[in-house]
Amino acid sequence: DQQVKQNSPSLSVQEGRISILNCDYTNSMFDYFLWYKKYPAEGPTFLISISSIKDKNEDGRFTVFLNKSAKHLSLHIVPSQPGDSAVYFCAASPRTAGNKLTFGGGTRVLVKP
Amino acid sequence: DTGVSQNPRHKITKRGQNVTFRCDPISEHNRLYWYRQTLGQGPEFLTYFQNEAQLEKSRLLSDRFSAERPKGSFSTLEIQRTEQGDSAMYLCASDTFTDTQYFGPGTRLTVL
Repeated sequence: DQQVKQNSPSLSVQEGRISILNCDYTNSMFDYFLWYKKYPAEGPTFLISISSIKDKNEDGRFTVFLNKSAKHLSLHIVPSQPGDSAVYFCAASPRTAGNKLTFGGGTRVLVKP
Repeated sequence: DTGVSQNPRHKITKRGQNVTFRCDPISEHNRLYWYRQTLGQGPEFLTYFQNEAQLEKSRLLSDRFSAERPKGSFSTLEIQRTEQGDSAMYLCASDTFTDTQYFGPGTRLTVL
């Protein structure tokens, strides 16, 4: 069973506009959520995280929103830049249980100049 | 310290051969993780260590897979009698309780 789902396999956005990536989870034990960015033939690069005690976290152009009641989180990138073109993974963990990450299937983002 | 490193970056082997991968975590990180990623999927957890103790193994980790972290620093992942289904990217990551999990560049395994 897929405990973390990213229902949009791809997203295309114009440079300068907002990219919104969505992620849903089912496991109520998850209390820590992360977004990673991945280029081909490289390992995932950490972008931003959020703890379940918050509903929003910002870091520069990246903002993550968490809706615990809906078991949903989203990543906003604004403004989008061509260098943001990559695959984005949502991940979740029960942080007190070893921080093992469960990943979604990824969303491929293409930012057009 | 420049982050998590993995060697080799690429490995091509024939079915039935044994392969071993190495991971060097960020030096102050006491927890080390192995994940596997196949094409079009997100990484899947395989196993993790806290210091030298292997605390959890996924059901994905068949008897042909073994991981060690003998001195609580670097780790090795060995696959015996490789099968074509083992072809994947093997990712290593490390963290502490208070730090974010950072990933290495991965080892791409191709089993012919």
